[in-house]
Amino acid sequence: TQLLEQSPQFLSIQEGENLTVYCNSSSVFSSLQWYRQEPGEGPVLLVTVVTGGEVKKLKRLTFQFGDARKDSSLHITAAQPGDTGLYLCAGAESGKLIFGQGTTLQVKP
Amino acid sequence: KAGVTQTPRYLIKTRGQQVTLSCSPISGHRSVSWYQQTPGQGLQFLFEYFSETQRNKGNFPGRFSGRQFSNSRSEMNVSTLELGDSALYLCASSLAIREDTGELFFGEGSRLTVL
Repeated sequence: TQLLEQSPQFLSIQEGENLTVYCNSSSVFSSLQWYRQEPGEGPVLLVTVVTGGEVKKLKRLTFQFGDARKDSSLHITAAQPGDTGLYLCAGAESGKLIFGQGTTLQVKP
Repeated sequence: KAGVTQTPRYLIKTRGQQVTLSCSPISGHRSVSWYQQTPGQGLQFLFEYFSETQRNKGNFPGRFSGRQFSNSRSEMNVSTLELGDSALYLCASSLAIREDTGELFFGEGSRLTVL
């Protein structure tokens, strides 16, 4: 079973700071997805990365897929309180999507 | 268009009871997946249905079962509830034909507490 390990598990920062969240595996994934989950809601897809080395930007969020397609990172520039939430990476394994444990981000005003 | 609807949103049961959770996917989505979310284990895959057929199953005991109807609505059942079954149960639907591709659209979940 492929495992997706996310780090850090918890992150509490001040508004305006930058941060990076990592999603690592020892196995190769054909694609990785990033979701954000806010309290009381289900996860919502942010981005899908498919090609090794791919970089995608979504406003202040930058997603990168590792060259070997075993890892991915999410970088947030100038974090805002609205970025607070649980960030989850997900990869395809044996016909199903498996999720990392998630990174809980708190951005304080 | 309407999102994924899960009912009930909250429920409390006692050990040994059974529970049925319902999920109505987005119109046109034929794939429905179920996940269990707990603080300690994160999101764990339960099973996935496509056109009334279970295509994939996670590593959960047989007490966890599900089904999908011809209108794509899905139900999951947990029998002989245990304290450890307390969790948020999330349903997700997808337009993708393949189980592991495409965007998952999640409902708000059913929060189950077992006393």
